[in-house]
Amino acid sequence: DIQLTQSPSFLSASVGDRVTITCRASQDISNYLAWYQQKPGRAPKLLIYAASTLQSGVPSRFSGSGSGTEFTLTVSSLQPEDSATYHCEQVKTYPLTFGGGTKVEIK
Amino acid sequence: QVQLVQSGAEVERPGASVKVSCKASGYSFTTYTMQWVRQAPGQRLEWMGWVNTANGNTKYAQKFQGRVTITRDTSASTAYMEVSSLRSEDTAVYYCARENFYDTGGHSIFDFWGQGILVTVSS
Repeated sequence: DIQLTQSPSFLSASVGDRVTITCRASQDISNYLAWYQQKPGRAPKLLIYAASTLQSGVPSRFSGSGSGTEFTLTVSSLQPEDSATYHCEQVKTYPLTFGGGTKVEIK
Repeated sequence: QVQLVQSGAEVERPGASVKVSCKASGYSFTTYTMQWVRQAPGQRLEWMGWVNTANGNTKYAQKFQGRVTITRDTSASTAYMEVSSLRSEDTAVYYCARENFYDTGGHSIFDFWGQGILVTVSS
């Protein structure tokens, strides 16, 4: 199975800060990576797929990059409503697997 | 608008079975595969399996093979997932999600999710 390692597991940042989350895959997954945002008690919400394609309706302050084994999710200017846990997911091959999550707190 | 509405929370004894549902609306049910994902407390999201809503074909994570059954009722636009021989480690929130392919290579995203069902396994 492909393992996904996210870092950091927790971060605290201020409104307006630029925030970056990393997801590393245990083997080459090309660009078959998605990012989800999950708020407490809610289902995950798709933000980005194919490593860098923004899902319709997602604010442009979110962006994704990377290929192969290293990927990043960036929030260019953190907003209060971005407080959530972020998950990466590889869709290269079954079984589909997820990262351990990164909890983002607003200072 | 697309909606996936899941059934209510369940509390079950170890060894029992539970069957949860996911009713779809706002789109053609048989056009999209339905996936199931669970999240145990403090754990990462875990893919469980899918059902092809058009023909009923299924695929399961090896971990759940033989203990999980995913079905669908096209007349009700509803997918079901049954977990048998429940144990405490099955306590989790179970989500259904619509699968949407974005390229011809079979790669997909989960673009709509149900609200989740908490299944608690406790004696």
